[in-house]
Amino acid sequence: GEDVEQSLFLSVREGDSSVINCTYTDSSSTYLYWYKQEPGAGLQLLTYIFSNMDMKQDQRLTVLLNKKDKHLSLRIADTQTGDSAIYFCAESMGDSSYKLIFGSGTRLLVRP
Amino acid sequence: DVKVTQSSRYLVKRTGEKVFLECVQDMDHENMFWYRQDPGLGLRLIYFSYDVKMKEKGDIPEGYSVSREKKERFSLILESASTNQTSMYLCASSSTQGAAFFGQGTRLTVV
Repeated sequence: GEDVEQSLFLSVREGDSSVINCTYTDSSSTYLYWYKQEPGAGLQLLTYIFSNMDMKQDQRLTVLLNKKDKHLSLRIADTQTGDSAIYFCAESMGDSSYKLIFGSGTRLLVRP
Repeated sequence: DVKVTQSSRYLVKRTGEKVFLECVQDMDHENMFWYRQDPGLGLRLIYFSYDVKMKEKGDIPEGYSVSREKKERFSLILESASTNQTSMYLCASSSTQGAAFFGQGTRLTVV
């Protein structure tokens, strides 16, 4: 079935790198996404990767995709207190519905 | 800049009321979605629409209906609000095979 799994919580020190991991199940997914949600707000699209790519870098963000293991990760370099939020991984469905399936979110806490 | 706007940030309604949540996008996207977000349950898809006047049920459509009369607007309707519909409601839109962009969310409390 369709499922996207993430760890619930990650705590890092300011200035360190954060790595948030995600596993998904639909091998026909076209795109995989990372969203950020701050308290009381909607979801902000951070970055996405097309399924035929292995890596994508965008300033402090690096996305790695391992299609064989269906594993996606988001690395945040030089993590700042403003990065504290919930991070959601999502996969697009391979059928025509264009639905996104979301993980349960990883709460990132950045300690000063 | 992409924009998805939900009509209210916070709403308080009484049990049994008919509630309308409105969402407007300015990106000419074909697809629009309504999710609800609850602690421990993540985001769950209520309904989505892939074209004007077209709609499909998501994972939890019971107690809800939707309307898409114009491409830019997607409304979520709670026919008779109940306390178990207290939640954060998130609207999103996307182009074909594109990323979804979200509104700021509406926190609905049903008393």
